[in-house]
Amino acid sequence: SQTIHQWPATLVQPVGSPLSLECTVEGTSNPNLYWYRQAAGRGLQLLFYSVGIGQISSEVPQNLSASRPQDRQFILSSKKLLLSDSGFYLCAWSNRDSYEQYFGPGTRLTVT
Amino acid sequence: AQSVTQLDSQVPVFEEAPVELRCNYSSSVSVYLFWYVQYPNQGLQLLLKYLSGSTLVKGINGFEAEFNKSQTSFHWRKPSVYISDTAEYFCAVTESGAGSYQLTFGKGTKLSVIP
Repeated sequence: SQTIHQWPATLVQPVGSPLSLECTVEGTSNPNLYWYRQAAGRGLQLLFYSVGIGQISSEVPQNLSASRPQDRQFILSSKKLLLSDSGFYLCAWSNRDSYEQYFGPGTRLTVT
Repeated sequence: AQSVTQLDSQVPVFEEAPVELRCNYSSSVSVYLFWYVQYPNQGLQLLLKYLSGSTLVKGINGFEAEFNKSQTSFHWRKPSVYISDTAEYFCAVTESGAGSYQLTFGKGTKLSVIP
């Protein structure tokens, strides 16, 4: 069966520090991968999605970037965090040609 | 572009009472619809999906959702709720055949079951 992992589970970082969040998927090949941010009362905001290694689409201009160095690995990064980057970050995957997305456990990021 | 509206941000309901969570969407083309549930500090879990066929979609724990094309709705219902149903519920939509496989989510409805 397929599983999706995210780490770390929680993170407290000072303003201006770098960020790296990692997401990996097991049990499937060539998945579509997604990064979402969830802020209280605002639902889920799609940040990035990827249909293959090195292929990243950005949905929202921001202080963040994403990379997909391997087929089942998706990384969310920032060079300098802002207070507004605080939130709950969720990674998701779907099979190629499928609309059903499956979510990881999330990372709670607090920027202080 | 599609959009989703979940009219109720919070729904309190007594245990064993019925509940309906409302979801309306806006799209100029055919859509696929989903309901997800999120427990505190966890990721989202897929509950239901409507892709085609019967407009009444049933889940495994007695809940269901009904697609109504004329009213552009996909309301979630459960005839009797329990404490364990307390969670946040998200409706999501995507345009069929769009090729991007991106979902647009509503802002969520927090269901609180009162003992």
